[in-house]
Amino acid sequence: GQNIDQPTEMTATEGAIVQINCTYQTSGFNGLFWYQQHAGEAPTFLSYNVLDGLEEKGRFSSFLSRSKGYSYLLLKELQMKDSASYLCAAMDSNYQLIWGAGTKLIIKP
Amino acid sequence: DVKVTQSSRYLVKRTGEKVFLECVQDMDHENMFWYRQDPGLGLRLIYFSYDVKMKEKGDIPEGYSVSREKKERFSLILESASTNQTSMYLCASSPQGEMWGRVGETQYFGPGTRLLVL
Repeated sequence: GQNIDQPTEMTATEGAIVQINCTYQTSGFNGLFWYQQHAGEAPTFLSYNVLDGLEEKGRFSSFLSRSKGYSYLLLKELQMKDSASYLCAAMDSNYQLIWGAGTKLIIKP
Repeated sequence: DVKVTQSSRYLVKRTGEKVFLECVQDMDHENMFWYRQDPGLGLRLIYFSYDVKMKEKGDIPEGYSVSREKKERFSLILESASTNQTSMYLCASSPQGEMWGRVGETQYFGPGTRLLVL
């Protein structure tokens, strides 16, 4: 079956770095998405990886290893506004998105 | 900027009522989706559409139907609402992907409708 695993909750300190991991098993693979979702709001797109390696976008970076079925989202210089849920989603061979349950990130001062 | 709007942010209905959730996007996207989101679960796809008057079942279509009469509008219908349909409903749209008629590309979400069925 198809499956996405990511931690339920993580806590980090303002100004620090945090890495949110995601492992996936899908029928075929057409890329890995990360979305951010603040409480009560819609998910917003953060990143898309389809090739192995690290993609950097400001304070956020996303990494993909296709051979390991593994991705991570790296957030640097954490700010209080980064408190949110981070959703990992893998696109399968039918271009359907398979979603993880999300990782709730709590930032402490 | 892509804008996806949903008709209501909050909705309270009674068991057995017929419920309509409307979604409109203004970016001429081919693909539109309806998801529900429940605590501890990932987004679950109810239905999607890759063209006007086209619809495809997602993972959990039971108890729902959809309508896409115009490209910009995708409606979700709960034929007879039940308490287990209490949830957050999210609409999304995306441009057509690499493969014709299939979903792909980044999805843009509406603000969501929180539905409570009593």
